[in-house]
Amino acid sequence: DQQVKQNSPSLSVQEGRISILNCDYTNSMFDYFLWYKKYPAEGPTFLISISSIKDKNEDGRFTVFLNKSAKHLSLHIVPSQPGDSAVYFCAASARSGGSNYKLTFGKGTLLTVNP
Amino acid sequence: SQTIHQWPATLVQPVGSPLSLECTVEGTSNPNLYWYRQAAGRGLQLLFYSVGIGQISSEVPQNLSASRPQDRQFILSSKKLLLSDSGFYLCAWTVGQETQYFGPGTRLLVL
Repeated sequence: DQQVKQNSPSLSVQEGRISILNCDYTNSMFDYFLWYKKYPAEGPTFLISISSIKDKNEDGRFTVFLNKSAKHLSLHIVPSQPGDSAVYFCAASARSGGSNYKLTFGKGTLLTVNP
Repeated sequence: SQTIHQWPATLVQPVGSPLSLECTVEGTSNPNLYWYRQAAGRGLQLLFYSVGIGQISSEVPQNLSASRPQDRQFILSSKKLLLSDSGFYLCAWTVGQETQYFGPGTRLLVL
Protein backbone atom coordinates (compact mmCIF):
# COMPACT_ATOMS: atom_id res chain seq x y z
CA ASP A 1 0.00 0.00 0.00
CA GLN A 2 1.57 3.23 -1.19
CA GLN A 3 1.03 5.88 1.47
CA VAL A 4 2.70 8.71 -0.44
CA LYS A 5 1.84 9.04 -4.10
CA GLN A 6 3.34 11.16 -6.83
CA ASN A 7 1.07 10.36 -9.73
CA SER A 8 3.02 12.22 -12.40
CA PRO A 9 6.21 10.34 -13.29
CA SER A 10 7.43 13.30 -15.33
CA LEU A 11 6.82 16.99 -15.98
CA SER A 12 8.25 19.27 -18.63
CA VAL A 13 8.17 23.08 -18.42
CA GLN A 14 9.76 26.04 -20.15
CA GLU A 15 12.48 28.05 -18.47
CA GLY A 16 11.00 31.00 -16.60
CA ARG A 17 7.58 29.42 -16.15
CA ILE A 18 6.13 27.86 -13.03
CA SER A 19 6.69 24.18 -12.18
CA ILE A 20 4.04 22.53 -10.02
CA LEU A 21 4.80 19.12 -8.56
CA ASN A 22 2.03 17.28 -6.77
CA CYS A 23 1.91 14.73 -3.97
CA ASP A 24 -0.95 12.91 -2.26
CA TYR A 25 -0.91 10.92 0.96
CA THR A 26 -3.29 8.48 2.55
CA ASN A 27 -2.04 8.16 6.13
CA SER A 28 -3.81 10.70 8.34
CA MET A 29 -1.05 10.31 10.94
CA PHE A 30 1.42 12.11 8.69
CA ASP A 31 2.02 15.60 10.04
CA TYR A 32 5.31 16.71 8.54
CA PHE A 33 6.16 16.81 4.86
CA LEU A 34 9.37 17.32 2.94
CA TRP A 35 10.55 17.74 -0.63
CA TYR A 36 13.89 16.44 -1.85
CA LYS A 37 15.67 16.98 -5.15
CA LYS A 38 17.83 14.29 -6.69
CA TYR A 39 20.26 14.35 -9.58
CA PRO A 40 21.28 11.05 -11.26
CA ALA A 41 23.87 9.03 -9.34
CA GLU A 42 23.75 11.40 -6.37
CA GLY A 43 22.02 11.38 -3.01
CA PRO A 44 18.82 13.42 -2.55
CA THR A 45 19.20 16.92 -1.17
CA PHE A 46 16.65 18.52 1.13
CA LEU A 47 14.69 21.39 -0.41
CA ILE A 48 11.86 22.51 1.80
CA SER A 49 9.46 21.19 4.42
CA ILE A 50 6.13 22.01 6.00
CA SER A 51 4.41 21.12 9.23
CA SER A 52 0.73 20.24 9.28
CA ILE A 53 0.01 23.32 11.39
CA LYS A 54 0.80 25.45 8.34
CA ASP A 55 -0.65 25.56 4.86
CA LYS A 56 2.23 27.30 3.11
CA ASN A 57 5.97 27.59 3.44
CA GLU A 58 8.19 29.63 1.15
CA ASP A 59 11.94 29.63 0.57
CA GLY A 60 13.17 31.70 -2.34
CA ARG A 61 11.85 30.27 -5.59
CA PHE A 62 10.33 27.27 -3.79
CA THR A 63 6.92 27.23 -2.11
CA VAL A 64 5.17 24.23 -0.63
CA PHE A 65 1.40 24.24 -0.15
CA LEU A 66 -0.43 21.80 2.10
CA ASN A 67 -4.13 20.97 1.92
CA LYS A 68 -4.79 18.72 4.90
CA SER A 69 -8.44 18.07 4.14
CA ALA A 70 -7.52 16.81 0.68
CA LYS A 71 -4.35 15.10 1.92
CA HIS A 72 -2.49 16.88 -0.84
CA LEU A 73 0.65 18.95 -1.08
CA SER A 74 2.38 20.67 -3.94
CA LEU A 75 5.75 22.21 -4.66
CA HIS A 76 5.86 25.36 -6.77
CA ILE A 77 9.08 26.50 -8.40
CA VAL A 78 9.00 30.02 -9.80
CA PRO A 79 10.72 30.86 -12.06
CA SER A 80 11.92 27.47 -13.25
CA GLN A 81 15.54 27.18 -14.35
CA PRO A 82 17.33 24.49 -16.38
CA GLY A 83 19.35 23.59 -13.27
CA ASP A 84 16.09 22.60 -11.59
CA SER A 85 15.90 19.58 -13.89
CA ALA A 86 16.02 16.60 -11.53
CA VAL A 87 13.82 14.02 -9.82
CA TYR A 88 11.74 15.48 -7.00
CA PHE A 89 10.66 13.29 -4.11
CA CYS A 90 7.86 14.00 -1.70
CA ALA A 91 8.25 12.52 1.78
CA ALA A 92 6.08 12.34 4.88
CA SER A 93 6.60 11.67 8.55
CA ALA A 94 4.37 10.98 11.54
CA ARG A 95 5.84 12.90 14.48
CA SER A 96 3.76 10.86 16.84
CA GLY A 97 5.82 7.88 15.71
CA GLY A 98 8.50 8.70 18.26
CA SER A 99 12.17 9.41 17.84
CA ASN A 100 12.86 7.17 14.84
CA TYR A 101 11.95 10.05 12.44
CA LYS A 102 11.12 7.63 9.65
CA LEU A 103 10.20 9.08 6.29
CA THR A 104 7.91 7.56 3.69
CA PHE A 105 8.81 8.60 0.16
CA GLY A 106 6.84 8.84 -3.03
CA LYS A 107 8.22 7.40 -6.26
CA GLY A 108 9.36 10.77 -7.53
CA THR A 109 8.61 13.09 -10.45
CA LEU A 110 11.21 13.83 -13.10
CA LEU A 111 11.16 17.55 -13.85
CA THR A 112 12.69 18.76 -17.09
CA VAL A 113 13.10 22.50 -17.57
CA ASN A 114 13.67 23.36 -21.20
CA PRO A 115 15.78 26.43 -22.12
CA SER B 1 29.73 20.87 9.82
CA GLN B 2 28.36 17.40 9.31
CA THR B 3 29.36 15.16 6.43
CA ILE B 4 28.33 11.68 5.42
CA HIS B 5 30.48 9.25 3.47
CA GLN B 6 29.60 6.09 1.60
CA TRP B 7 31.86 3.62 -0.07
CA PRO B 8 32.39 2.20 -2.47
CA ALA B 9 30.77 4.52 -5.01
CA THR B 10 30.22 1.71 -7.49
CA LEU B 11 30.31 -2.05 -7.11
CA VAL B 12 29.84 -4.91 -9.55
CA GLN B 13 29.38 -8.27 -7.87
CA PRO B 14 28.49 -11.77 -9.08
CA VAL B 15 25.34 -13.49 -7.88
CA GLY B 16 25.99 -15.41 -4.68
CA SER B 17 28.89 -13.25 -3.53
CA PRO B 18 28.90 -11.37 -0.20
CA LEU B 19 28.32 -7.65 0.20
CA SER B 20 29.51 -4.99 2.60
CA LEU B 21 28.63 -1.32 2.14
CA GLU B 22 29.83 1.22 4.65
CA CYS B 23 28.45 4.55 5.76
CA THR B 24 30.08 6.95 8.20
CA VAL B 25 28.95 10.30 9.52
CA GLU B 26 31.23 13.07 10.79
CA GLY B 27 30.51 16.11 12.88
CA THR B 28 27.58 14.82 14.92
CA SER B 29 26.85 12.45 17.78
CA ASN B 30 24.07 9.93 18.39
CA PRO B 31 22.54 10.25 14.93
CA ASN B 32 19.69 8.16 13.65
CA LEU B 33 21.00 6.28 10.62
CA TYR B 34 19.06 4.88 7.68
CA TRP B 35 19.67 2.63 4.67
CA TYR B 36 17.52 3.11 1.58
CA ARG B 37 17.48 1.45 -1.83
CA GLN B 38 16.38 3.02 -5.06
CA ALA B 39 15.74 0.36 -7.66
CA ALA B 40 15.73 1.36 -11.32
CA GLY B 41 12.74 3.62 -12.06
CA ARG B 42 11.41 3.38 -8.54
CA GLY B 43 11.28 5.49 -5.40
CA LEU B 44 13.26 5.34 -2.19
CA GLN B 45 12.57 2.27 -0.12
CA LEU B 46 13.62 2.30 3.54
CA LEU B 47 15.52 -0.90 4.32
CA PHE B 48 16.87 -0.42 7.85
CA TYR B 49 17.18 2.25 10.48
CA SER B 50 19.11 2.57 13.71
CA VAL B 51 18.59 4.86 16.68
CA GLY B 52 21.76 3.76 18.49
CA ILE B 53 24.74 1.42 18.59
CA GLY B 54 23.66 -2.18 18.07
CA GLN B 55 20.01 -1.16 17.54
CA ILE B 56 18.71 -2.15 14.11
CA SER B 57 15.13 -2.08 12.83
CA SER B 58 14.30 -3.83 9.58
CA GLU B 59 11.56 -2.43 7.40
CA VAL B 60 11.40 -5.03 4.66
CA PRO B 61 12.18 -8.75 4.90
CA GLN B 62 14.94 -9.47 2.46
CA ASN B 63 18.35 -10.84 1.70
CA LEU B 64 20.17 -7.99 3.43
CA SER B 65 21.21 -7.18 7.00
CA ALA B 66 22.55 -4.09 8.75
CA SER B 67 24.83 -3.44 11.69
CA ARG B 68 25.92 -0.41 13.68
CA PRO B 69 29.18 -1.27 15.42
CA GLN B 70 30.00 2.35 16.28
CA ASP B 71 27.96 5.50 16.89
CA ARG B 72 28.64 6.99 13.47
CA GLN B 73 29.10 3.85 11.39
CA PHE B 74 26.36 1.93 9.62
CA ILE B 75 27.05 -1.17 7.53
CA LEU B 76 24.81 -2.95 5.03
CA SER B 77 25.64 -6.59 4.35
CA SER B 78 24.58 -9.69 2.53
CA LYS B 79 25.93 -13.23 2.68
CA LYS B 80 24.79 -14.09 -0.86
CA LEU B 81 23.70 -11.47 -3.35
CA LEU B 82 20.70 -11.92 -5.63
CA LEU B 83 20.10 -10.28 -9.00
CA SER B 84 17.25 -8.36 -7.39
CA ASP B 85 19.68 -6.70 -4.97
CA SER B 86 20.92 -4.45 -7.77
CA GLY B 87 20.14 -0.79 -7.18
CA PHE B 88 21.33 2.49 -5.75
CA TYR B 89 21.92 2.31 -2.00
CA LEU B 90 21.68 5.44 0.06
CA CYS B 91 22.63 6.12 3.66
CA ALA B 92 21.06 9.01 5.56
CA TRP B 93 21.32 10.57 8.99
CA THR B 94 19.37 12.87 11.24
CA VAL B 95 19.52 14.16 14.80
CA GLY B 96 16.35 15.11 16.59
CA GLN B 97 14.30 16.07 13.54
CA GLU B 98 12.55 14.73 10.49
CA THR B 99 14.90 16.20 7.89
CA GLN B 100 17.31 13.48 6.81
CA TYR B 101 20.60 14.15 5.06
CA PHE B 102 21.78 11.72 2.46
CA GLY B 103 25.15 10.42 1.42
CA PRO B 104 26.36 10.21 -2.19
CA GLY B 105 25.13 6.63 -2.63
CA THR B 106 26.58 3.34 -3.84
CA ARG B 107 25.55 1.89 -7.17
CA LEU B 108 25.44 -1.91 -6.95
CA LEU B 109 25.15 -4.10 -10.00
CA VAL B 110 24.71 -7.82 -9.42
CA LEU B 111 25.48 -9.96 -12.46
